[in-house]
Amino acid sequence: GAVVSQHPSRVICKSGTSVKIECRSLDFQATTMFWYRQFPKQSLMLMATSNEGSKATYEQGVEKDKFLINHASLTLSTLTVTSAHPEDSSFYICSAMGQDRLFFGSGTQLSVL
Amino acid sequence: QKEVEQNSGPLSVPEGAIASLNCTYSDRGSQSFFWYRQYSGKSPELIMFIYSNGDKEDGRFTAQLNKASQYVSLLIRDSQPSDSATYLCAVTRGSSNTGKLIFGQGTTLQVKP
Repeated sequence: GAVVSQHPSRVICKSGTSVKIECRSLDFQATTMFWYRQFPKQSLMLMATSNEGSKATYEQGVEKDKFLINHASLTLSTLTVTSAHPEDSSFYICSAMGQDRLFFGSGTQLSVL
Repeated sequence: QKEVEQNSGPLSVPEGAIASLNCTYSDRGSQSFFWYRQYSGKSPELIMFIYSNGDKEDGRFTAQLNKASQYVSLLIRDSQPSDSATYLCAVTRGSSNTGKLIFGQGTTLQVKP
């Protein structure tokens, strides 16, 4: 089956720093990838749709200047949390469409001190 | 009104019993419906998907869809302790199958030995 790799799995950073999360489709090409955020005991909230070669589409309430998304190739999308603050601490999950199904990365637990 | 609603639970059933998980959605245009299982700290994994009204069975799992009532359910037969997890209902927004999913808050299932 299709595999989506997400890295890093866990990151701890100081407030004010930026963190980059990578999402790769390993054995298929993904023109579209999605980024979700999940706070403890809450569901996944769609943050943005990442489109290869064009600008990402952000959901209402998500700051595009804070959560920078780059989808420069058919197998890689990156999410950069800029000037992270403790309230950005969350579980970030990417997903990609492959074989008419949605495959999820393993997630990144971000902790901002 | 939330787009996708689930009872957060916890739902507790004895081992070997049938667990019934329910979900309602607000967008009548939604065409694709999914059930994901999520263990604590992990990404969701797809259990079932259903597109047409009626029942769909896969092993111990049965998904049921009633578009007129905007209701989708998941039955787990012969529940096992390993089934203890949070079950997320997800639907596509609108009529397109772009992979953009809207998730419910999830129902926590506890299967007691």
